[in-house]
Amino acid sequence: AQSVTQLGSHVSVSEGALVLLRCNYSSSVPPYLFWYVQYPNQGLQLLLKYTSAATLVKGINGFEAEFKKSETSFHLTKPSAHMSDAAEYFCAVTSSGYSTLTFGKGTMLLVSP
Amino acid sequence: EAQVTQNPRYLITVTGKKLTVTCSQNMNHEYMSWYRQDPGLGLRQIYYSMNVEVTDKGDVPEGYKVSRKEKRNFPLILESPSPNQTSLYFCASTDRGMNTEAFFGQGTRLTVV
Repeated sequence: AQSVTQLGSHVSVSEGALVLLRCNYSSSVPPYLFWYVQYPNQGLQLLLKYTSAATLVKGINGFEAEFKKSETSFHLTKPSAHMSDAAEYFCAVTSSGYSTLTFGKGTMLLVSP
Repeated sequence: EAQVTQNPRYLITVTGKKLTVTCSQNMNHEYMSWYRQDPGLGLRQIYYSMNVEVTDKGDVPEGYKVSRKEKRNFPLILESPSPNQTSLYFCASTDRGMNTEAFFGQGTRLTVV
């Protein structure tokens, strides 16, 4: 079964600093990988999606993620954090039949002025 | 506006009293699913439906029922709620399967006392 591991339940950065949120996946077949963001009191919203078309995926709000098969990783980055980026971020992977989406436990991003 | 609507947003109930959380989408999506979100556990899938009258269990189906009589609606039923079902619940829909963008509802915070 597919699974994802997010390193760090909380990440704190200063405004303007680099954001790096880590995600490692386990999958026996090339997966579809996603990053979703959850703002307070809201549902999840898609940030970006990897579909094997390109290893570097650009998403909304300046975020991007790089798929590295050799490291089974799909880390999320943003060059310069903004206060509005404070939210919880979830990495997710589909099952081979695309019937389920397995989420990591989430990483809360805290941005300080 | 494309949206997934859940009702109610907040619910406090007593152990054993049957309840239904409704979910409706206006995007003509075939696939719908229910997740529960618990601190430190991320989101876990309860049930999903690939189309009308087609439902299947997710990772944590015990104590829940669903039905899919119409394409737009996918209610979650707790026939005899227990305190361990206190959680934040999300409904999601996608065009085909979980390899496409999932649209999430705003969530239903359920407390069972």
